Amino acid sequence: AQTVTQSQPEMSVQEAETVTLSCTYDTSESNYYLFWYKQPPSRQMILVIRQEAYKQQNATENRFSVNFQKAAKSFSLKISDSQLGDTAMYFCAFIPAGAGSYQLTFGKGTKLSVIP
Amino acid sequence: DTGVSQDPRHKITKRGQNVTFRCDPISEHNRLYWYRQTLGQGPEFLTYFQNEAQLEKSRLLSDRFSAERPKGSFSTLEIQRTEQGDSAMYLCASSSSSGPTGELFFGEGSRLTVL
Repeated sequence: AQTVTQSQPEMSVQEAETVTLSCTYDTSESNYYLFWYKQPPSRQMILVIRQEAYKQQNATENRFSVNFQKAAKSFSLKISDSQLGDTAMYFCAFIPAGAGSYQLTFGKGTKLSVIP
Repeated sequence: DTGVSQDPRHKITKRGQNVTFRCDPISEHNRLYWYRQTLGQGPEFLTYFQNEAQLEKSRLLSDRFSAERPKGSFSTLEIQRTEQGDSAMYLCASSSSSGPTGELFFGEGSRLTVL
């Protein structure tokens, strides 16, 4: 069984500053995918960024980037130039690669507040 | 808007009553998922459909829960004899089997309160 741990229940950041959200995971799988999903208040959850474990290069999507450390089983999200619209719950998630894997395992989430 | 839609958005019921939630996925998506999210927790997987076939069920899905996806389009999640512990947000998501693994498109959820 896989577990995903987010050790920061809440964080805040000043607008335009940079913030890093932490995530660690535990698995015996050798190949898998990692994700950060964003859930704004009263709105649907959306995918922010996706990382394939066999790729050493860290994924980036505009202001969002990850620091993937496979040996340490760590997958942090960096948000640069924070904007008010980044205020949301952020969930780290994991899924094994391969056929028959349909179940995303989520962490408990980090509530991020961007302060004007 | 052609995103995932869920109905009703909010449901308040008394313990012991039955409730049903409906999910309409993105039309071209053949995969559909139900998750449950309680306060302070991340979403927990309940069940998965590929087209009309229910291929995976979590142990969280007790015999009071049943999900269907007739004709591989919309899905329903029914909870019979509701208990206070069933109070949660029920999230539906869909994806395409030709899309990137793990990229799910979520609805806004159906919030259940059991009194």
